[in-house]
Amino acid sequence: AQKITQTQPGMFVQEKEAVTLDCTYDTSDQSYGLFWYKQPSSGEMIFLIYQGSYDEQNATEGRYSLNFQKARKSANLVISASQLGDSAMYFCGFSLAAGGTSYGKLTFGQGTILTVHP
Amino acid sequence: DGGITQSPKYLFRKEGQNVTLSCEQNLNHDAMYWYRQDPGQGLRLIYYSQIVNDFQKGDIAEGYSVSREKKESFPLTVTSAQKNPTAFYLCASSSRSSGGAIEQYFGPGTRLTVT
Repeated sequence: AQKITQTQPGMFVQEKEAVTLDCTYDTSDQSYGLFWYKQPSSGEMIFLIYQGSYDEQNATEGRYSLNFQKARKSANLVISASQLGDSAMYFCGFSLAAGGTSYGKLTFGQGTILTVHP
Repeated sequence: DGGITQSPKYLFRKEGQNVTLSCEQNLNHDAMYWYRQDPGQGLRLIYYSQIVNDFQKGDIAEGYSVSREKKESFPLTVTSAQKNPTAFYLCASSSRSSGGAIEQYFGPGTRLTVT
């Protein structure tokens, strides 16, 4: 079974600064995807960014980028130019690619609460 | 507007009663999922369905049941056998993959309180 670890229960960042949220995973499969979601206090889960295990370049989506280090099994989220609205819980998720025995199952880490200070 | 709807947002039930949470999507997605979230915790998968009339147990299926009679709908029943049903329940859906892993899109959630 896959395991996702987010070692930072809480992180603080100054507005307009960059912040890195850590995520490591444990799998013996070769074909998989890594996801980051944002959960504001309202509870909805907002998809931010995706990285496939065979993607050679790190994924980027606006102010979000994913620092993917396959050999170290890490998929850290980098948020540049933090804004007050970025304050939320962030979850890292792992899913096997199509054809895997657990296809479709998304396993989440415990989450990191990010607080952006003005 | 395409999306996933869950109703109601807040639900209160007495212990010993079954309760059904609704989840509807108009994204034409094949797959649907139910997750449970406890305070300060991550999400755990209860059940998922890749196609109509088929579903699989997730990591914490005991005390729950589902049905998938229509592509758009995936209701979750929390039975009286679920020992700690009070939680935040999130429904998600995703399209069929052409090869890679697929992102899931989530509904707004239902907060269930059982007393």
